Order: sequence, then C-alpha cells, then structure tokens
Amino acid sequence: QKEVEQNSGPLSVPEGAIASLNCTYSDRGSQSFFWYRQYSGKSPELIMSIYSNGDKEDGRFTAQLNKASQYVSLLIRDSQPSDSATYLCAVNEHGSGNTGKLIFGQGTTLQVKP
Amino acid sequence: GAVVSQHPSWVICKSGTSVKIECRSLDFQATTMFWYRQFPKQSLMLMATSNEGSKATYEQGVEKDKFLINHASLTLSTLTVTSAHPEDSSFYICSAGKDRGLLYGYTFGSGTRLTVV
Repeated sequence: QKEVEQNSGPLSVPEGAIASLNCTYSDRGSQSFFWYRQYSGKSPELIMSIYSNGDKEDGRFTAQLNKASQYVSLLIRDSQPSDSATYLCAVNEHGSGNTGKLIFGQGTTLQVKP
Repeated sequence: GAVVSQHPSWVICKSGTSVKIECRSLDFQATTMFWYRQFPKQSLMLMATSNEGSKATYEQGVEKDKFLINHASLTLSTLTVTSAHPEDSSFYICSAGKDRGLLYGYTFGSGTRLTVV
C-alpha cells in the first residue's frame, strides 16, 4: 500500500514566522511531488512542484526534496494570516502503466496568528 | 494554462433522483481525469480515474453502478450520482492535467457541493 504521511496538526505559527510542513512517502520509485493548498470549503490549489533533490524556491515558498530519506517539505517564509489553510502533500504514483494517479497525504492544517 | 471547469458548483436534489456533474479541461486535452469526494474536515478520497474512450477505473469500495463516469471526449468527463441518498451528500471535485501530471501536477475544478434531501 503506497502511502503519504503528514502530521495533521494544527500547526500554529505567529505572523511573520517560518512555517515548516513535512511529508514522507513510501514508494521509493516516486518521481514527482506536489504541494497543494486548500482553504476551507474550496478545492485544492497547486502551489509547488518538485522533482529533483534539493530546494526549489518560489516567492515565499520553498519546497525541499530528499529522495534518499523519502521526505519532502514545504517552508513558508513570512507567514501571513491568509496562509491559514490545509496543505496537502501529493506524490505521483509510480508503477507499471503509469496511471499518473496522485497519492495524497491527509493534510496539515496551518494556523497563522496575527 | 491547465484550467479545469466544474459545473454545477452546488446542487440540491431529492432522495432517489440522479445528479450529473461535469468536468471540463478548457485549454488542454486530458486523456485522464480524476474524481474525488471530500466529507467535512476529512481528506480527499479518490473515487475513480476517468479514461477517455474507455471504462473508468474505480477505487476499492466505490460502487461503479452508483457513480457513473463517462469520458466521451478529451475535454469532458461527467460523474452521475444515481439514486442519490442523504449519505451521498458531499463535496465532489474533479482534477485533470497535461502529461499525466508528471511535470505539471493536476489542476482541480472548483468542486460541486451536493446536498441530498
């Protein structure tokens, strides 16, 4: 059973701080990794993708990937109350046929307090 | 690019009736689309993979005769909830993407909130 694990939280950080969200995955052959943000009552929105080991930065967001440890993280710098949402880690399923199916974690709820 | 449109955004129906939800890829062709269901304060649950021109692949525990999926073109997939009951009330979301999501991930539709009364 391929799994993606996240701490459900809530993770609470003060405004302006760095929020660190973590995710581990079980399928060592996975190649593509994504972070989605989901506001309450809304559908998920893609915010970051990463494919190679190391860091990838986009504005206040940095995704980090370590394939050896099967670990991917998302850092949010200068956190704002508007960042308060559930963050979903997703991993592209690897295997014969390559369905392209994404395996989602349970999501981490982030609360940024003013 | 990669815009996915979902319609309707909300629907209320009577128990026993059927409801159709549409998912369209507006600026790309999608050979594969996915349908999810999400109950309040719970995670996304993948229901099925919709394949253009062939039968959908359903996840374990999802009744294919109750949740009919049709993917007749490269830009349109539909989910029909047949003989809906109150326990089918949920948030239904589709997703689609280019290149099977490998490089660009998948874009989600805005979702359909179904309430069965």
